[in-house]
Amino acid sequence: QSVLTQPPSVSGAPRQRVTISCSGSSSNIGNNAVNWYQQLPGKAPKLLIYYDDLLPSGVSDRVSGSRFGTSASLAISGLQSADEADYYCATWDDSLKRQVFGGGTKLTVL
Amino acid sequence: EVQLVESGEVLAQPGESLRISCSASGFSFSKYVMYWVRQAPGKGLEYVSGISDNGGSTNYVDSLKARFTISRDNSKNKLYLQMNSLRPEDTALYYCVKGSGGSLRGACDIWGQGTMVAVSA
Repeated sequence: QSVLTQPPSVSGAPRQRVTISCSGSSSNIGNNAVNWYQQLPGKAPKLLIYYDDLLPSGVSDRVSGSRFGTSASLAISGLQSADEADYYCATWDDSLKRQVFGGGTKLTVL
Repeated sequence: EVQLVESGEVLAQPGESLRISCSASGFSFSKYVMYWVRQAPGKGLEYVSGISDNGGSTNYVDSLKARFTISRDNSKNKLYLQMNSLRPEDTALYYCVKGSGGSLRGACDIWGQGTMVAVSA
């Protein structure tokens, strides 16, 4: 059971916009910035969003992140088949004193 | 180019110990926190351990704290994970991960390709 809760799967048609939620508590998301990772099939994870809503160099601006209260969201607009991947949220947990990950969400482009 | 190269695939028997390593290049290794994150076959990411830039501070997931030890050698740009009393449930791809700065709270900005550890009788 992951500390952060994500939906197991989401899907969307090409060119549509999808959002992936990440729910936590006051000891993690409620008090710390959230990072998002993309894991393409058979590949290592890659940092997609850091500090809630910042994009690393080279990441498409079709991606955006937000955090409000004890939840965070990742949005991907203009869906492409190349976006099919697993997405993970992560943050620091003040009680556990370590990083915690969500269970991951599989994005399918229909 | 920033690179993290883990040691090769390992097969171990239950109860055995082994140490995996990660060689870093392309950045000032001694200035960044480092982590190990694992992924069991078909499962999600699981945080294993993190270590501060000078090695003076470490943290672990509670379930592994008694058996796993993270360390680093900044003179060799290497990260290590000592794993004792291995169990079949430790079978996973172990990723060496670079932190984005000097805090264990930061993002994981570079991931290695992973080293597969298989524990089976």
